[in-house]
Amino acid sequence: GESVGLHLPTLSVQEGDNSIINCAYSNSASDYFIWYKQESGKGPQFIIDIRSNMDKRQGQRVTVLLNKTVKHLSLQIAATQPGDSAVYFCAVSAGTALIFGKGTTLSVSS
Amino acid sequence: DGGITQSPKYLFRKEGQNVTLSCEQNLNHDAMYWYRQDPGQGLRLIYYSQIVNDFQKGDIAEGYSVSREKKESFPLTVTSAQKNPTAFYLCASSPGQREAFFGQGTRLTVV
Repeated sequence: GESVGLHLPTLSVQEGDNSIINCAYSNSASDYFIWYKQESGKGPQFIIDIRSNMDKRQGQRVTVLLNKTVKHLSLQIAATQPGDSAVYFCAVSAGTALIFGKGTTLSVSS
Repeated sequence: DGGITQSPKYLFRKEGQNVTLSCEQNLNHDAMYWYRQDPGQGLRLIYYSQIVNDFQKGDIAEGYSVSREKKESFPLTVTSAQKNPTAFYLCASSPGQREAFFGQGTRLTVV
């Protein structure tokens, strides 16, 4: 089955810095990838997604990069703000349910 | 408003009791999911359903049961066989192989 791991459980940055959160997955058949943001006591919120036929996708202040060769996914947040402080999860699907990683806690100090 | 509604927000269970967590969606999504989240951990899949009257076990289905009699409803029962049920439970729905939309969660505590 699929397993999803993160490189760092926590990340601390200064306001205005760029943040990069990384994720690795195991199943080469995975074809859909999502990043979620979760604030304390709430359900995860969708940030951005990417399919396996792409290697980069940009949103507002966020970019997701997909490297299928090494099965690696990253989320880049530009000009990080205190409101970006949360837990970030990557989730991976090979056609059925999403499988989640353990999350990276992003702390932004001003 | 369209969305996913989980109830109750907080639930307390005595040892040996079964409890049922409600999840309702009005997004007309075919697929629904239940995840469990423990402190500092990711989301682990309990059960999922891709169509009415059909569901599959996830990674940690033991001690849980579900039903999918209606498209909009996917209740989760935490049975007495689940030895460590204290956790944050999240329900989600999806229109297909797209992002899952989450409810606000139910925090279950054994007392």
